[in-house]
Amino acid sequence: QKEVEQDPGPLSVPEGAIVSLNCTYSNSAFQYFMWYRQYSRKGPELLMYTYSSGNKEDGRFTAQVDKSSKYISLFIRDSQPSDSATYLCAMTASAGSYQLTFGKGTKLSVIP
Amino acid sequence: GAVVSQHPSWVICKSGTSVKIECRSLDFQATTMFWYRQFPKQSLMLMATSNEGSKATYEQGVEKDKFLINHASLTLSTLTVTSAHPEDSSFYICSAQTGWGTGELFFGEGSRLTVL
Repeated sequence: QKEVEQDPGPLSVPEGAIVSLNCTYSNSAFQYFMWYRQYSRKGPELLMYTYSSGNKEDGRFTAQVDKSSKYISLFIRDSQPSDSATYLCAMTASAGSYQLTFGKGTKLSVIP
Repeated sequence: GAVVSQHPSWVICKSGTSVKIECRSLDFQATTMFWYRQFPKQSLMLMATSNEGSKATYEQGVEKDKFLINHASLTLSTLTVTSAHPEDSSFYICSAQTGWGTGELFFGEGSRLTVL
């Protein structure tokens, strides 16, 4: 079993839809969870950073962590064509460590 | 946000040649830089952690003699793929950490290597 599982998609939704992206993980040591957005042929950019279980909201984006289920989610409200990208989850065991373990990424297309 | 620049963004080379990829932090000093490799439809795989002024730490399975990493200054790390082969064709991405400890991580734009 891989440490981080993420459905690669592709996922296509109409503009304005609510998008739900998910990752599961097996390593209970992971404490810090991140979501990155990667446009085609570009490096990833950090969207959300969360610690431990709970929700964190930033504009149209909400990150959710359920450590008991080893499950994290990213919700995008009112999706826009500019949200079309690959979304990668990443996680690490300690705050000072950026030796991240990444998911495969989910490719999202928002259709106008 | 901080800017991390990679060069070149695209490189095509013949099998057996060596290719150098540069990663620069443009507006901050990066004590730690990371190199990743990303195959199509695969996750980023950490290759090595590079600390300024010291030898890089390679992940298991990454050949340190093939992927030479040099972090000679606080703003520059280089990855040299030596004697490249077609199976080395991939997207190579660097990231740089600001400051120490819990500094934020910024990624470069990536370098696509194609070995013919």
